[in-house]
Amino acid sequence: DIVLTQSPGTLSLSPGESATLSCRASQSVSSSFLAWFQQKPGQAPRLLIYGASIRATDIPDRFSGSGSGTDFTLTISSLEPEDLAVYYCQQYGDSPYTFGQGTKLEIK
Amino acid sequence: QVQLQESGPGLVKPSETLSLTCTVSGGSISAHYWSWIRQPPEKGLEWIAYIHYAGTTNYNPSLKSRVTISIDTPKNQFSLKLNSVTAADTAVYYCARLRFWRGHFQFDSWGQGTLVTVSS
Repeated sequence: DIVLTQSPGTLSLSPGESATLSCRASQSVSSSFLAWFQQKPGQAPRLLIYGASIRATDIPDRFSGSGSGTDFTLTISSLEPEDLAVYYCQQYGDSPYTFGQGTKLEIK
Repeated sequence: QVQLQESGPGLVKPSETLSLTCTVSGGSISAHYWSWIRQPPEKGLEWIAYIHYAGTTNYNPSLKSRVTISIDTPKNQFSLKLNSVTAADTAVYYCARLRFWRGHFQFDSWGQGTLVTVSS
């Protein structure tokens, strides 16, 4: 199985700042088949990014993804209070599909 | 816009079978793939299985020996059965659409999730 390791575990930032979240894979992710999800408290995850850098429908351009191979990044610019959530990366290049353990984003 | 809704018992006894159904509305189940994903309390996400409306299935090897996923196209529903459950199977279970779009698989629509507790 491909193991995805996310860092940091928790990120605490102020509104207006930018957040950089990392996802490292234990082996190369085929064709950049990597997605990012946002999970707000008490809610189901929501797809933000797929194909490492393609924003999903209705996702604001404050959210951007980059990377390839084993190293991927989610950047959230101009943080808003509503961005409080846990963010997960997920690979769908190889079965079984796997998720990272999550990065918790706190807004000061 | 497609909507998904999980249903089933919220409490299952150890060694018994967990059974959940996902009802799809606002779109036909006879397209795309359909999946189950779970999340133990305060933990991360684990993909369980997916099924295509034509019958193709794929299971997470870690659960494959205990899981069955099935689809009922006339009812626009798909289901999950997990047998021989233990406390480690306590989790919020989500159903999700796995859409194949522009060469990519996407978990793009999710149910709200249902908490299943395994306890005697």
